[in-house]
Amino acid sequence: DTEVTQTPKHLVMGMTNKKSLKCEQHMGHRAMYWYKQKAKKPPELMFVYSYEKLSINESVPSRFSPECPNSSLLNLHLHALQPEDSALYLCASSQGQGEGGQPQHFGDGTRLSIL
Amino acid sequence: GESVGLHLPTLSVQEGDNSIINCAYSNSASDYFIWYKQESGKGPQFIIDIRSNMDKRQGQRVTVLLNKTVKHLSLQIAATQPGDSAVYFCAETGGYQKVTFGIGTKLQVIP
Repeated sequence: DTEVTQTPKHLVMGMTNKKSLKCEQHMGHRAMYWYKQKAKKPPELMFVYSYEKLSINESVPSRFSPECPNSSLLNLHLHALQPEDSALYLCASSQGQGEGGQPQHFGDGTRLSIL
Repeated sequence: GESVGLHLPTLSVQEGDNSIINCAYSNSASDYFIWYKQESGKGPQFIIDIRSNMDKRQGQRVTVLLNKTVKHLSLQIAATQPGDSAVYFCAETGGYQKVTFGIGTKLQVIP
């Protein structure tokens, strides 16, 4: 079992719906990430939170709104999505800012389908 | 052998043979590299990492080689097993927490 838990595992929504993806980790990590992964493609970074503050936004459309309520939780709020937003959304965490890079621990993702 | 399909390069190896998966990275300023394994329906799983001040690192049945001169990274898997079948991604970190993944290679182990 992964140490990063994502819910729901699957989500089907219409283009006018509002939904949220949730991510939780209890490893004491202080950096959390959202990635988008299309089929047969690598994960693409969307957002990075470091010590509960947004540190990187990779020019993601505003219909995706991240939130980090505390150091263990990361949400991704969805509104007015487009069919091309259908993908696997992965959450990851790492220890946080330190010397050099650090490995990220991934959840198993939420598979999102937009009708 | 290795083939490049429309979307994902595939490497087929016989069970028990050694596998070598290659990756070219783009940012000469990258200083930290990771190999991830992604099985169907799962998120990427950390395998091994290496920093730019090293050129080789070994783990259990896996070895990562880094050639900074040609910006090339490889993952060697010894005695490949059916459970090694997955998609393997290299990833580079060139800046603060910003990770860029390579295109990935699908490893198929033939029993």
